[in-house]
Amino acid sequence: NAGVTQTPKFQVLKTGQSMTLQCAQDMNHEYMSWYRQDPGMGLRLIHYSVGAGITDQGEVPNGYNVSRSTTEDFPLRLLSAAPSQTSVYFCASSYSWGDTQYFGPGTRLTVL
Amino acid sequence: GENVEQHPSTLSVQEGDSAVIKCTYSDSASNYFPWYKQELGKGPQLIIDIRSNVGEKKDQRIAVTLNKTAKHFSLHITETQPEDSAVYFCAASPQIPNTGNQFYFGTGTSLTVIP
Repeated sequence: NAGVTQTPKFQVLKTGQSMTLQCAQDMNHEYMSWYRQDPGMGLRLIHYSVGAGITDQGEVPNGYNVSRSTTEDFPLRLLSAAPSQTSVYFCASSYSWGDTQYFGPGTRLTVL
Repeated sequence: GENVEQHPSTLSVQEGDSAVIKCTYSDSASNYFPWYKQELGKGPQLIIDIRSNVGEKKDQRIAVTLNKTAKHFSLHITETQPEDSAVYFCAASPQIPNTGNQFYFGTGTSLTVIP
């Protein structure tokens, strides 16, 4: 089991560019989530999914899109990058709503 | 929505001493409280969790206590070792079925264990 994998590990974008952060898990988990981590602010939920085809907004969804076409993958799309989106992004998954959440290694994104 | 506050933001202890990190939450619907350890350059890793029907849980040198009435929970690490040095996050979640895992995190405590 690779667990939760994220690519890329590092990315630099210019303002206005778009990109997709990839997240995959091989544990057959139904629940997947995206968080951003900023200094002094902990982790904040961006979007989450309770299964293939089902997504919902978290605490800070503006500027991000998600889709869940398969159980394994949950990509996060930045439509038009802004400097305020400079952050470390973590993907997480869990088997069910009451279970342990497993985090990926993170993607460090810088928007210039 | 839920608001989780965590204190202290930094904590230094001598090796062998105990460390205590405290969190408060605002939403009485929260019923699941995990603690995560994050080492430099890595994602958070669950170290212990507690549910609202339990007041205390222990796993070797780590324990968590929960006071539902006061809406606070604490992480206790005894006999600290240098490898315990990391950032620790508390979280709270309402864990309502079929509404997703909405976790609300504290702002983190940077623990340094001095050899």
